[in-house]
Amino acid sequence: TQLLEQSPQFLSIQEGENLTVYCNSSSVFSSLQWYRQEPGEGPVLLVTVVTGGEVKKLKRLTFQFGDARKDSSLHITAAQPGDTGLYLCAANQFYFGTGTSLTVIP
Amino acid sequence: GAVVSQHPSRVICKSGTSVKIECRSLDFQATTMFWYRQFPKKSLMLMATSNEGSKATYEQGVEKDKFLINHASLTLSTLTVTSAHPEDSSFYICSARGVLTDTQYFGPGTRLTVL
Repeated sequence: TQLLEQSPQFLSIQEGENLTVYCNSSSVFSSLQWYRQEPGEGPVLLVTVVTGGEVKKLKRLTFQFGDARKDSSLHITAAQPGDTGLYLCAANQFYFGTGTSLTVIP
Repeated sequence: GAVVSQHPSRVICKSGTSVKIECRSLDFQATTMFWYRQFPKKSLMLMATSNEGSKATYEQGVEKDKFLINHASLTLSTLTVTSAHPEDSSFYICSARGVLTDTQYFGPGTRLTVL
């Protein structure tokens, strides 16, 4: 099992603010996924990154894979209440990080 | 497309009973299905991987006799929690992967509460 640490664990911000979530490990991954999960539902895939240094954008979300493929970040610009949820990174699809619970206050 | 369902969505049972959870791929053939459990406000933990027609592969620390997995068809996998105890209470989530894609699609989860 590959240990993925996410930070922060909890985050509560005002609508319109920016935020960054980090996913770190000491292991190298062939791929890394980011998911968003709402209460009582399964996770929904946001993005997969596979190349060191890769940056992907999904509307207001920017995902970056570290050069060494050991870490990743998720940056949200101008957060909206609809962004509220549990954000999970996963290594090689199946080994999930510790999770970041985001609450965006209107 | 790529819809995965789970049944039941919630189940409450008495300690010592067995509970079966179904995972179905509704619009694609799932050669591989995965079972996870998730504790409140915690991450997902992979329990086992099942391939259609063969025995499931369990992750380290997961009791195969406790969590029976059957993947009898390309659209259905079942997880049976045998002799359930309160510590088995959790959110169980399945996912399915088809032949032509590397992506796993998650079901909506089943909330199990053992009294």
